[in-house]
Amino acid sequence: KNEVEQSPQNLTAQEGEFITINCSYSVGISALHWLQQHPGGGIVSLFMLSSGKKKHGRLIATINIQEKHSSLHITASHPRDSAVYICAVHFGNEKLTFGTGTRLTIIP
Amino acid sequence: EPEVTQTPSHQVTQMGQEVILRCVPISNHLYFYWYRQILGQKVEFLVSFYNNEISEKSEIFDDQFSVERPDGSNFTLKIRSTKLEDSAMYFCASSRGLGLAKNIQYFGAGTRLSVL
Repeated sequence: KNEVEQSPQNLTAQEGEFITINCSYSVGISALHWLQQHPGGGIVSLFMLSSGKKKHGRLIATINIQEKHSSLHITASHPRDSAVYICAVHFGNEKLTFGTGTRLTIIP
Repeated sequence: EPEVTQTPSHQVTQMGQEVILRCVPISNHLYFYWYRQILGQKVEFLVSFYNNEISEKSEIFDDQFSVERPDGSNFTLKIRSTKLEDSAMYFCASSRGLGLAKNIQYFGAGTRLSVL
């Protein structure tokens, strides 16, 4: 069965801390997305990657295809980073299969 | 920046009624999607649409659901006879195409459907 798992489910950290959110998947994929969902519910695409590493501002996403694992890192975390971060993958077709999300809370 | 727009933001309906959720994808995009998220659960794929036909659908997308692109700009999801369990946030998404650079999916803000 094609599955996506994320950890941790919830993460609370102090402002300025380095954050890591993990995603693992069951079988080979064609690409992986990291998405951000704000309290109002809207979803924003942060990264799409199939190999290596991508960086945008304070956000870094890495993927290890052999280990079927991806991480999302946030450097110098800020309260405005508080959101649910979702990993979603393409198991070889166009639809996305989603993880359960990681709820991140950054305390000032 | 181009965006996917969804209307209404919140729809309240009685069980058994028909609802139509509307989406305007980004104008040069070719692939369109509907996803749903029941409160407290993960986002689930419903259907993908390309070249005026359904390209893939999930087991959730039964005969009560239909999609349409009536006029070249709107992309609609219709639920014929709503059930309580259809209450969820429904997200529309679109992408330019398939393959790495093209398959970045852009999401609308969602329509919260409440079935009473």
